[in-house]
Amino acid sequence: GAGVSQSPSNKVTEKGKDVELRCDPISGHTALYWYRQSLGQGLEFLIYFQGNSAPDKSGLPSDRFSAERTGGSVSTLTIQRTQQEDSAVYLCASSLTRGIRGYTFGSGTRLTVV
Amino acid sequence: QQQVKQSPQSLIVQKGGISIINCAYENTAFDYFPWYQQFPGKGPALLIAIRPDVSEKKEGRFTISFNKSAKQFSLHIMDSQPGDSATYFCAASPPWGRGGSQGNLIFGKGTKLSVKP
Repeated sequence: GAGVSQSPSNKVTEKGKDVELRCDPISGHTALYWYRQSLGQGLEFLIYFQGNSAPDKSGLPSDRFSAERTGGSVSTLTIQRTQQEDSAVYLCASSLTRGIRGYTFGSGTRLTVV
Repeated sequence: QQQVKQSPQSLIVQKGGISIINCAYENTAFDYFPWYQQFPGKGPALLIAIRPDVSEKKEGRFTISFNKSAKQFSLHIMDSQPGDSATYFCAASPPWGRGGSQGNLIFGKGTKLSVKP
């Protein structure tokens, strides 16, 4: 596609429920990143996928967070048993390859846990 | 541990003025320093970037100044316009592969810029 597409754009969920956030990277981009943006906290790295290599999960804040990338394209970020502190904007970015440093971000999913 | 410190948190500038946002980093292995611009409801967009082998890079009204010895870099927006009102993030990353790095960008906390007409 022309840009990085994320869905849904907004998600309100009850505390304790599981949520899935989707990211469609730019076609042909092999590197995919998830970041979390909390108010006043900048962008926090969560996880990184590069081609068929094992993902870098070093930024995931707890074992309630997981992500997968199917067929080297679409990625899903799953948050289990959501907590109020999970409320944030979740941003996905992709780049042509890990050697290309400029990311293209999607518009994000705003998650609100009530 | 915050590896990239950004200031100020917010900035108000009159139209036509110069906006200056500063960042400092700690890791001397960082070798790529981009600035991103984010409008409400949108994801950040790459604005301009610099590598440490140059002290300044200019693109239109936007200039990055880089001071390697001080481990600081700044964004200057000349002739600031109301359309420049956005949140600006500095970032830095080490080269891929060094110390196991995946070259992930580490972001500052952002500066909300308001340009008054």
